[in-house]
Amino acid sequence: SQTIHQWPATLVQPVGSPLSLECTVEGTSNPNLYWYRQAAGRGLQLLFYSVGIGQISSEVPQNLSASRPQDRQFILSSKKLLLSDSGFYLCAWSVRSGQAYSYEQYFGPGTRLTVT
Amino acid sequence: AQKVTQAQTEISVVEKEDVTLDCVYETRDTTYYLFWYKQPPSGELVFLIRRNSFDEQNEISGRYSWNFQKSTSSFNFTITASQVVDSAVYFCALKAPMIKAAGNKLTFGGGTRVLVKP
Repeated sequence: SQTIHQWPATLVQPVGSPLSLECTVEGTSNPNLYWYRQAAGRGLQLLFYSVGIGQISSEVPQNLSASRPQDRQFILSSKKLLLSDSGFYLCAWSVRSGQAYSYEQYFGPGTRLTVT
Repeated sequence: AQKVTQAQTEISVVEKEDVTLDCVYETRDTTYYLFWYKQPPSGELVFLIRRNSFDEQNEISGRYSWNFQKSTSSFNFTITASQVVDSAVYFCALKAPMIKAAGNKLTFGGGTRVLVKP
């Protein structure tokens, strides 16, 4: 079965510090990968998605970036955090090819980031 | 452009009451998928159901049921005999068109918070 991991679970960082959040998927190959942000009490905002190694699409211009160095690894980064970067960050995956092509996304446990 | 509207931001019920969550979607595509997700207090979104635009048959899974009506572009979700464990935020989502597209992104509604009191 497939599982998705995110770490760290919680993070408190000062303004201006760098950020690196990691997401890995097990039990599947060639997935689509997604990063979402959820502000407190709000809906989901798609930040980035990736259809393959090294292929990143940005949905919202901001001071965040994403990378996919391996097939099942997705990293969210920032060189200098802003207060507005606080939120709950969720990684998700979906099947990209093959017969089981049903498009639902499966989410990780999330990282709660507080920028102080 | 696609849009998903969940007009109810928060619903509060007493345990054992039924609760219906509304979801209205907009798309110009004739084929699409609809989804419901549950986000408990722990934060992880849990996939509940997928329906495609060809199948308007209602579905029941235990205490959960879904009513899909293309004529009104709605995909409503009912929890029967609610329990405290049903307390969560519920999201409706749309993927249109049904065929493969760049990223196969989902359009999410704003979510409805359900609070079930004992």
